[in-house]
Amino acid sequence: DTAVSQTPKYLVTQMGNDKSIKCEQNLGHDTMYWYKQDSKKFLKIMFSYNNKELIINETVPNRFSPKSPDKAHLNLHINSLELGDSAVYFCASSQIQTNTEAFFGQGTRLTVV
Amino acid sequence: GENVEQHPSTLSVQEGDSAVIKCTYSDSASNYFPWYKQELGKRPQLIIDIRSNVGEKKDQRIAVTLNKTAKHFSLHITETQPEDSAVYFCAGPNQAGTALIFGKGTTLSVSS
Repeated sequence: DTAVSQTPKYLVTQMGNDKSIKCEQNLGHDTMYWYKQDSKKFLKIMFSYNNKELIINETVPNRFSPKSPDKAHLNLHINSLELGDSAVYFCASSQIQTNTEAFFGQGTRLTVV
Repeated sequence: GENVEQHPSTLSVQEGDSAVIKCTYSDSASNYFPWYKQELGKRPQLIIDIRSNVGEKKDQRIAVTLNKTAKHFSLHITETQPEDSAVYFCAGPNQAGTALIFGKGTTLSVSS
């Protein structure tokens, strides 16, 4: 049983395209996140959703739009992709925002060419 | 809080040696201190965590110590093995307490 699953694992696309990454968790957690990991391995929080409501929107371009249809899903849509968007994107979930273990998805390696 | 500072950024040790990674945090209200390990090409996974009501926690070869006065917590790995080679992250809550903020990571290399 995969606790947090995200698809696709790899995504190669051209500049200017629009793409989506899907994430689902079967842990019954209330909070889900998107993190971006760049080539220097920094894990940077992008968004946090609690019970389908947006809690955090860090300084992320408007081209990134998260959508949470229910508390088990948090998808990430990216418009007008740029070269600098190339990174590994991790979805994660936890039960109580910051006081419990966060479980990560396998990551989506996005390459913009 | 927003700042979780982690040192060193890289650490190379010989197999069998100990490794220590340190994190400092700024929010006095923080009460949960996790450490994550990320192997190459894989997802970060929790390896040990500690809450503010204890000063030390051990799990076989790994331990975490917490100094609330000085606002730092450290990961200790004893008898290191090549499979300990990975990137290690500490984490703490952001100021609003709504997400985990990760340190910049420490790349540990254990050579045999």
